[in-house]
Amino acid sequence: SAVISQKPSRDICQRGTSLTIQCQVDSQVTMMFWYRQQPGQSLTLIATANQGSEATYESGFVIDKFPISRPNLTFSTLTVSNMSPEDSSIYLCSVPGRVNTEAFFGQGTRLTVV
Amino acid sequence: GENVEQHPSTLSVQEGDSAVIKCTYSDSASNYFPWYKQELGKGPQLIIDIRSNVGEKKDQRIAVTLNKTAKHFSLHITETQPEDSAVYFCAAGASDYKLSFGAGTTVTVRA
Repeated sequence: SAVISQKPSRDICQRGTSLTIQCQVDSQVTMMFWYRQQPGQSLTLIATANQGSEATYESGFVIDKFPISRPNLTFSTLTVSNMSPEDSSIYLCSVPGRVNTEAFFGQGTRLTVV
Repeated sequence: GENVEQHPSTLSVQEGDSAVIKCTYSDSASNYFPWYKQELGKGPQLIIDIRSNVGEKKDQRIAVTLNKTAKHFSLHITETQPEDSAVYFCAAGASDYKLSFGAGTTVTVRA
């Protein structure tokens, strides 16, 4: 499985500010995914980050709120913009494995907005 | 889109007993069914998966079964140990690598 590193691991932010989360993978991958896990809940896909093109967002998520960058095949960032307490969640980066559809996750970024 | 339902939401078992978690899915195009274990403060860890051309898969104390006709799949943990205590998520996906997750099951193994 790929080694996935996320930074920061946690942060406490003031409402109205923005936070950029980084995801670094130890091997080149065509697709990277960003998920949100709200407190005590399941994982919801935010968007697919494609290298060389704009990210593809799932229903309910928009680029203005969650801009994503994918400058190369091993790195991606997710920005949570104009944060409110409702954005307090764990944000997770995921990449496909080497075999078909398996997916592996980073350790997540625990965000608290106050 | 895909809808995955998971139950029970919580499960308490005596150490050494078995634990079973069940999931159903709605999209017949789904062909990949992984299970993740999430410990406190960590990201989900893939523990076992099954694909639609297989009915059952086993890895030591854990096993997964799939009934594609009925659109349900299950995780079985035998001889549970305290380190099995965690939140378990089922998921369903197709060839695009996107996964839809169940709501999670909090498993507590009592010593």
